[in-house]
Amino acid sequence: EDKVVQSPLSLVVHEGDTVTLNCSYEVTNFRSLLWYKQEKKAPTFLFMLTSSGIEKKSGRLSSILDKKELFSILNITATQTGDSAVYLCAVVPGSGGSNYKLTFGKGTLLTVNP
Amino acid sequence: DAGVTQSPTHLIKTRGQHVTLRCSPISGHKSVSWYQQVLGQGPQFIFQYYEKEERGRGNFPDRFSARQFPNYSSELNVNALLLGDSALYLCASSLRRGEQSDFGPGTRLTVL
Repeated sequence: EDKVVQSPLSLVVHEGDTVTLNCSYEVTNFRSLLWYKQEKKAPTFLFMLTSSGIEKKSGRLSSILDKKELFSILNITATQTGDSAVYLCAVVPGSGGSNYKLTFGKGTLLTVNP
Repeated sequence: DAGVTQSPTHLIKTRGQHVTLRCSPISGHKSVSWYQQVLGQGPQFIFQYYEKEERGRGNFPDRFSARQFPNYSSELNVNALLLGDSALYLCASSLRRGEQSDFGPGTRLTVL
């Protein structure tokens, strides 16, 4: 069964700090890994990673995938209070009878204090 | 462009009742998936529909069922509600299976 483990489960930082969130996974026939930010209800898409070693960047957020070691990290630099949220990591298995379902980790609750 | 929409926003039911949740995907998206998220956990996969056919089912009892309509909207039905069914039910749509999924705001179901 596919499995995703995120760490830490919660994190409290001050504005301006840099944080690194971790996601390790086990999946049959890996297709992609996705990061989402969930503030109140709907998870909002951040990144989709398919290739190892290629960094995806959007403003102060960046993410990279290591397919050999089966993990990904999400970095947030110069954190702001608006970054406070649950960050979810999910993996998508590949084809071959699979249903392409997302398997999520429990998430990391990030709290950024002013 | 409208995102994924879900209705109702909130719902309170009692044990044993039945509930229907609705989802409209982003225009052009043909794949719709349903997830259950209980407090403190990541979303758990319930169903996936693509081109109106069920393409995947998670580890949920037969009390859970779903369908997709010709316009690609979807319904999730839950019969004989239990207290443990209280959760946020999320709908996600994507252009094709396996691609980036966009989530709706969810339906908060409370079973008393």
